[in-house]
Amino acid sequence: KQEVTQIPAALSVPEGENLVLNCSFTDSAIYNLQWFRQDPGKGLTSLLLIQSSQREQTSGRLNASLDKSSGRSTLYIAASQPGDSATYLCAVRYRSNDYKLSFGAGTTVTVRA
Amino acid sequence: DAGVIQSPRHEVTEMGQEVTLRCKPISGHNSLFWYRQTMMRGLELLIYFNNNVPIDDSGMPEDRFSAKMPNASFSTLKIQPSEPRDSAVYFCASSPRQGALYSPLHFGNGTRLTVT
Repeated sequence: KQEVTQIPAALSVPEGENLVLNCSFTDSAIYNLQWFRQDPGKGLTSLLLIQSSQREQTSGRLNASLDKSSGRSTLYIAASQPGDSATYLCAVRYRSNDYKLSFGAGTTVTVRA
Repeated sequence: DAGVIQSPRHEVTEMGQEVTLRCKPISGHNSLFWYRQTMMRGLELLIYFNNNVPIDDSGMPEDRFSAKMPNASFSTLKIQPSEPRDSAVYFCASSPRQGALYSPLHFGNGTRLTVT
């Protein structure tokens, strides 16, 4: 069964600390992996998309890495701010599932001022 | 780019009533997805359209659910009759025409449905 797991389910850090969010997947045969942010009552905002051939993607304070062999991706958020408080979801497009995205349950982040 | 537009944002209805949710994908995107999100089950794919044609509706929970995409810029998800267990947030998402497998998915803000 192709699953996506995100640990921890929740995380609370003081402002300024770096955030490390983990995502694991069960099959290395993937097209890509996408990180999303979801604010309460809102939709999902795409943060980073890492193709299968890539090792990492960066956007501002965000950096996502991909290690297919170990089935892991990590989202790093540098110098966290209260505005980073949200739920972060990881989604994997497995080759066997073609167009479908398999979502993790998310990590809810609280950045304390 | 206005993004994926969904309406209404909130819908409260009584059990047994018909509910219609609407979606306008990003212009030029030819893949459209309907998802449902609940606390218990997370995000579930309900149906996927490509070039206005339903490709996979295996996620549609029951015959009470139906979806249409009459043209490239509009889709509807209908529930008839609605039940309290249908209460959830329904998201529409789209992705570009070329290289869809390698392109990011863009979500709307969702419709929060409450069936009493």
